[in-house]
Amino acid sequence: AQSVTQLDSQVPVFEEAPVELRCNYSSSVSVYLFWYVQYPNQGLQLLLKYLSGSTLVKGINGFEAEFNKSQTSFHLRKPSVHISDTAEYFCAVRVSQFYFGTGTSLTVIP
Amino acid sequence: DAGVTQSPTHLIKTRGQQVTLRCSPISGHKSVSWYQQVLGQGPQFIFQYYEKEERGRGNFPDRFSARQFPNYSSELNVNALLLGDSALYLCASSGGGTVTYEQYFGPGTRLTVT
Repeated sequence: AQSVTQLDSQVPVFEEAPVELRCNYSSSVSVYLFWYVQYPNQGLQLLLKYLSGSTLVKGINGFEAEFNKSQTSFHLRKPSVHISDTAEYFCAVRVSQFYFGTGTSLTVIP
Repeated sequence: DAGVTQSPTHLIKTRGQQVTLRCSPISGHKSVSWYQQVLGQGPQFIFQYYEKEERGRGNFPDRFSARQFPNYSSELNVNALLLGDSALYLCASSGGGTVTYEQYFGPGTRLTVT
C-alpha cells in the first residue's frame, strides 16, 4: 500500500526566513514525487516534480526539493519566504494513481 | 489558453439527492481525473478517464460514477448523497496518454450536503 505522510500540519515562519516542509512516503516500488500548492478557494498548482535523474529538483517561486530514496523522503525547501507563500502545500506520490498527503499549512508572518 | 474549468462552483444538496459535476479540460488534453478533497485533508483519487474510457478507479462506492465525452469534457455523478460526501471536488486534466505525470487542476466544485 502507498501512503504519504506530511509531518507538520502547520508551519509558521517569519518573512524572509528559510522553511522546510517535510514529506515521507512508503512504497515498495519506484515512485514519482510531486509538491503542489493550494491557495484559498483555488485548485492545486504544481510546484515541482521528481521523475528521475538529479535528486535535487527546482520548481517555481524559488522552491526546491530533495529526493532521498534511503529515507523515503521528499522535503520541500525555500531559502527565504514571502508573505505570498502563505498557502496549503501538498506532497503527492504517483504509483498507479496519485496519493496525496494531508497537507501542511504554511503561514508567513510579517 | 483557458485552464481547467469546473461547474458549478458551489452546490447545496439534500441527503438522498443526486448531483452532477462538470469539468472541461485544457484544450488538447485527453485525460481527466476526479478527486474528492474533504476539509482538512488532501485530495483523494476517484476516477481517471482517457479517450472516453475509465482507466483508473479509487476506493469509492458505486454511488460515484463518471463519464467522458467525445470533446474530452467529463461529468462526475454522485447518487444517494450522504452528509460525508460534502467536499471540494477537483478535476485535473493531463495531456499525455494514460500515464499522467503532470496534472493541471481546476478550481473545484464545493458540494455541501445537508
